[in-house]
Amino acid sequence: ILNVEQSPQSLHVQEGDSTNFTCSFPSSNFYALHWYRWETAKSPEALFVMTLNGDEKKKGRISATLNTKEGYSYLYIKGSQPEDSATYLCAFIRAAGNKLTFGGGTRVLVKP
Amino acid sequence: GAVVSQHPSRVICKSGTSVKIECRSLDFQATTMFWYRQFPKQSLMLMATSNEGSKATYEQGVEKDKFLINHASLTLSTLTVTSAHPEDSSFYICSARSGASITDTQYFGPGTRLTVL
Repeated sequence: ILNVEQSPQSLHVQEGDSTNFTCSFPSSNFYALHWYRWETAKSPEALFVMTLNGDEKKKGRISATLNTKEGYSYLYIKGSQPEDSATYLCAFIRAAGNKLTFGGGTRVLVKP
Repeated sequence: GAVVSQHPSRVICKSGTSVKIECRSLDFQATTMFWYRQFPKQSLMLMATSNEGSKATYEQGVEKDKFLINHASLTLSTLTVTSAHPEDSSFYICSARSGASITDTQYFGPGTRLTVL
């Protein structure tokens, strides 16, 4: 059983503040990591696919880093806005694997 | 962006009945579709992977005779929960992928909330 952990489970952020949270995964047999953003009552939306150690990806005010040697990825939200409120999911793919293993998600609530 | 629809969004049924959930890729052809379920306070868990025209591959612990998957076309996959029981109550969500690589983006539907009375 693969252990993909996300922390914290939830966090409240004041509008305008920046925040970050973590996805931890097995450091051995890493192949790729996906990040998704899931707003309530909508479909999960793909943010990033990360494959190389040291990868940094950016989409607007959201960015992510990847450390495959120690088995973690950070997702950052700069200058949080209410529309950033969502659950952020990471999904790990192991080498020679054919499926996504999801973490439990970090639920972000941005307060005006 | 690619859009995946899923119907119904919510269904309530009596124990012992069967329920069919549809997953459609609206603007692309999906060579592979995936079915997940999520129990309260848990992660999305893959149930099965299906390729168009082939039998689905089920994850360990998922009964293939209970969760029938049909992927008859490149834009439609269906999941039928047969003889549903209260323990099958869950959130079911599909995803679709056009490319062949596991790193290609999976596009998700909005999910179906199944409640079995």
